[in-house]
Amino acid sequence: DQQVKQNSPSLSVQEGRISILNCDYTNSMFDYFLWYKKYPAEGPTFLISISSIKDKNEDGRFTVFLNKSAKHLSLHIVPSQPGDSAVYFCGGATNKLIFGTGTLLAVQP
Amino acid sequence: SQTIHQWPATLVQPVGSPLSLECTVEGTSNPNLYWYRQAAGRGLQLLFYSVGIGQISSEVPQNLSASRPQDRQFILSSKKLLLSDSGFYLCAWSKGRGNYGYTFGSGTRLTVV
Repeated sequence: DQQVKQNSPSLSVQEGRISILNCDYTNSMFDYFLWYKKYPAEGPTFLISISSIKDKNEDGRFTVFLNKSAKHLSLHIVPSQPGDSAVYFCGGATNKLIFGTGTLLAVQP
Repeated sequence: SQTIHQWPATLVQPVGSPLSLECTVEGTSNPNLYWYRQAAGRGLQLLFYSVGIGQISSEVPQNLSASRPQDRQFILSSKKLLLSDSGFYLCAWSKGRGNYGYTFGSGTRLTVV
């Protein structure tokens, strides 16, 4: 049972444009959701989170939107930069964090 | 400040050999601890988590086991490695249930040959 799904394995965006990464979940018990960025052979680094009682959280260039009725969240990166190129994981958390399969974002200069 | 240490960084082991990966956390007490694995081309799979000493929850049946002998120490073990155990293993900690975030170690690249 895959509780968190990222259906797009990859995304390519031009520098300066918006990157939108999507995530769907099935477990309505998640307290909050997190987005992590990961480079090969490194541990994931935290980007942004959102409580399940919120619908939006913004931090600089990163904004996460949560649609509880649709069990869907998205991460918007504006403007996208080449340094944003990495694998992005969304996760749902209770007392443990369950990740999706990740989306590889490539930002083209 | 809190830090998490994970070692070794890389490991090459023959099939059938034992495994012991260690993770320690500094600067906090009674953390929740987690082991994840990223197999080649795959996502981050939760293997085990622990909310206290001696308390281990297994997420997937497998050839691995975990132990928490001390509050801030989490060990991943195997008695006999399989080829399918190869992957990138990550330890993480959090303060518990709530929006505290999860902090990850730098990972161990395990190759079983």
